[in-house]
Amino acid sequence: GAVVSQHPSWVICKSGTSVKIECRSLDFQATTMFWYRQFPKQSLMLMATSNEGSKATYEQGVEKDKFLINHASLTLSTLTVTSAHPEDSSFYICSILRPPMNTEAFFGQGTRLTVV
Amino acid sequence: AQTVTQSQPEMSVQEAETVTLSCTYDTSESNYYLFWYKQPPSRQMILVIRQEAYKQQNATENRFSVNFQKAAKSFSLKISDSQLGDTAMYFCAFIPSNAGGTSYGKLTFGQGTILTVHP
Repeated sequence: GAVVSQHPSWVICKSGTSVKIECRSLDFQATTMFWYRQFPKQSLMLMATSNEGSKATYEQGVEKDKFLINHASLTLSTLTVTSAHPEDSSFYICSILRPPMNTEAFFGQGTRLTVV
Repeated sequence: AQTVTQSQPEMSVQEAETVTLSCTYDTSESNYYLFWYKQPPSRQMILVIRQEAYKQQNATENRFSVNFQKAAKSFSLKISDSQLGDTAMYFCAFIPSNAGGTSYGKLTFGQGTILTVHP
């Protein structure tokens, strides 16, 4: 069964609105979760590392105020795309590493965001 | 910082034949893990195979095997008896680890190779 549950699978929103994407760890507690963005036929680009109980670590070039990350519990991290614009349309994927060795990564199903 | 390079954007193979996907990486780390992930049209990422850098023996998983050349920093994936279900985008990935084998940091992905298996 799935180890990571990501919701929703797809969402269409209007420009200027905000969208929240949830990532849940189903099998174990995850102090760290990763958020990726992927354009068609391209690689996964790490956006940020979500840390439970503390601020997320954003990759260079990722707007912190646009992509709000909250990791309020050991099993849930959320990514909120604020004031969405068409250029934010993309595929977003969350991932966790299985503790304690962190040598096995699990990925959510991904969320296809379309901003119209 | 680590880099992972996949120099083949697209490849194709006939069903039942063998295909090899290339991957090179660059790192100053002594300990690390290497992975091949498959992303089929559903876009769900699936682990294909994992290699621990300290192990000289190449990892195998059924029809999938790797050729790990640590000195050359090369990590190619061989798919034998290709099946239509192997059609997907394949990513090579790297994560550093400590001497005890625990990984830290983040996965670094290559650019990906789109593999198409033809009937």
